[in-house]
Amino acid sequence: DAGVTQSPTHLIKTRGQQVTLRCSPKSGHDTVSWYQQALGQGPQFIFQYYEEEERQRGNFPDRFSGHQFPNYSSELNVNALLLGDSALYLCASSVDRAGYEQYFGPGTRLTVT
Amino acid sequence: QQQVKQSPQSLIVQKGGIPIINCAYENTAFDYFPWYQQFPGKGPALLIAIRPDVSEKKEGRFTISFNKSAKQFSLHIMDSQPGDSATYFCAASPGRGSTLGRLYFGRGTQLTVWP
Repeated sequence: DAGVTQSPTHLIKTRGQQVTLRCSPKSGHDTVSWYQQALGQGPQFIFQYYEEEERQRGNFPDRFSGHQFPNYSSELNVNALLLGDSALYLCASSVDRAGYEQYFGPGTRLTVT
Repeated sequence: QQQVKQSPQSLIVQKGGIPIINCAYENTAFDYFPWYQQFPGKGPALLIAIRPDVSEKKEGRFTISFNKSAKQFSLHIMDSQPGDSATYFCAASPGRGSTLGRLYFGRGTQLTVWP
């Protein structure tokens, strides 16, 4: 049983560019949440997707957007990249919105230069 | 505002020792308290979790102690091994309301176990 998978593993972008990160949840999971982890910090919640809709959002600007597909996979899009967007982006999946037992993927390391 | 406060920031123990990591929270809506282990360059791995209806939970060498009245919980690692060297995060999640299922993380504890 594959766990949560994310792609790409690493990404280098220039300020002002746009980026799309992808996530496939663990088998049997229908809820996907995205987190941003800056170096030396704990993960910070970006948003949660369930039934193809954004259900809640953390304290992140509208430059961060997402999508969930019918097969429960998800994308995170970041527009107008800033240097401060450099971080590890983590996808987590769970059986339902209550979020008990959230399993994380390996993350995508985004570097903005 | 940090909703979950974690200490210490770093911890060094000898092999076989019992490191203890502490976390505190204020939000009474929290009803799920997981611990995650993270190795460099990897995503956090769910280690063990507890709900407020019990005061202790053990899984292998890992034990969570939970004090609901004090709004504190801690992770104990029995017979620690060099392979346990990692960063540990406590987290909390509400079971109701508009932030249902959102994990609030502590800042992490970097554990080093010397052989």
